[in-house]
Amino acid sequence: GQSLEQPSEVTAVEGAIVQINCTYQTSGFYGLSWYQQHDGGAPTFLSYNGLDGLEETGRFSSFLSRSDSYGYLLLQELQMKDSASYFCAVPKLTGGGNKLTFGTGTQLKVEL
Amino acid sequence: NAGVTQTPKFQVLKTGQSMTLQCAQDMNHEYMSWYRQDPGMGLRLIHYSVGAGITDQGEVPNGYNVSRSTTEDFPLRLLSAAPSQTSVYFCASSWTSGSSYEQYFGPGTRLTVT
Repeated sequence: GQSLEQPSEVTAVEGAIVQINCTYQTSGFYGLSWYQQHDGGAPTFLSYNGLDGLEETGRFSSFLSRSDSYGYLLLQELQMKDSASYFCAVPKLTGGGNKLTFGTGTQLKVEL
Repeated sequence: NAGVTQTPKFQVLKTGQSMTLQCAQDMNHEYMSWYRQDPGMGLRLIHYSVGAGITDQGEVPNGYNVSRSTTEDFPLRLLSAAPSQTSVYFCASSWTSGSSYEQYFGPGTRLTVT
C-alpha cells in the first residue's frame, strides 16, 4: 500500500515563512505533488517534484528527497489568503492514467 | 473552457435510494476519476477511467458504479445509498501523458444520506 504523513495543523503569521512536511511510503514512486484546498472548495494543483531538489513557483517552493522518502512545501511571504488545507499526493501510473494517493492534509492558519 | 463541472452541488438522500452524480469536462482529457473526501481527511479514489469504454476500481469502490461512454462525461452511480456514503465527492480529469501529472478537480457534490 501507500501512505503519506503530514502534520495536521500549522499556524503562522502574515509575512512569515512556513514549511509543510510530507513523508511517504509507497511502491513504484514517480514523484510528489502538492494541492491546495480552501474551505468548501476544490483541490487545486500547486506543484510536482519528479526529481530530487527544489522547484520554485513564485512564493511557493516544493522540495523532494527520494533517498529520505520526504518532501516539503515552502510558503513564503504568507498572506491571509494562504489559509487553506495543503495535501501532498503521489501519482501511480496505471495503463494510461495516474491514480493519486493523498495525504490527510495540513490545515494552515495564517494570523495577523 | 468551463473545465470540470459537477451536478448537483448538494444532495440529500434517504438510505436505500439511488442516484447519479454527474461529471463533465471540456478539456478533452483522457483520464477521469472520482474521489470522496470525508471530514478532516484526504481524498480517496473511488473509480477511474483512462478513456471512453474503460473503467477500473480505485481504493474504495464498493457501493458505486461508473461508466464512460464519451470522453467528456463520467457519471458516478450510487446503487443503494448508505449513511457511510455521506461525503463530498470530487471528479477530476487530466491528460494521460505529461510531466506534472496535474489533475483538474470539479467543485464537488456534497452528499448527505439520512
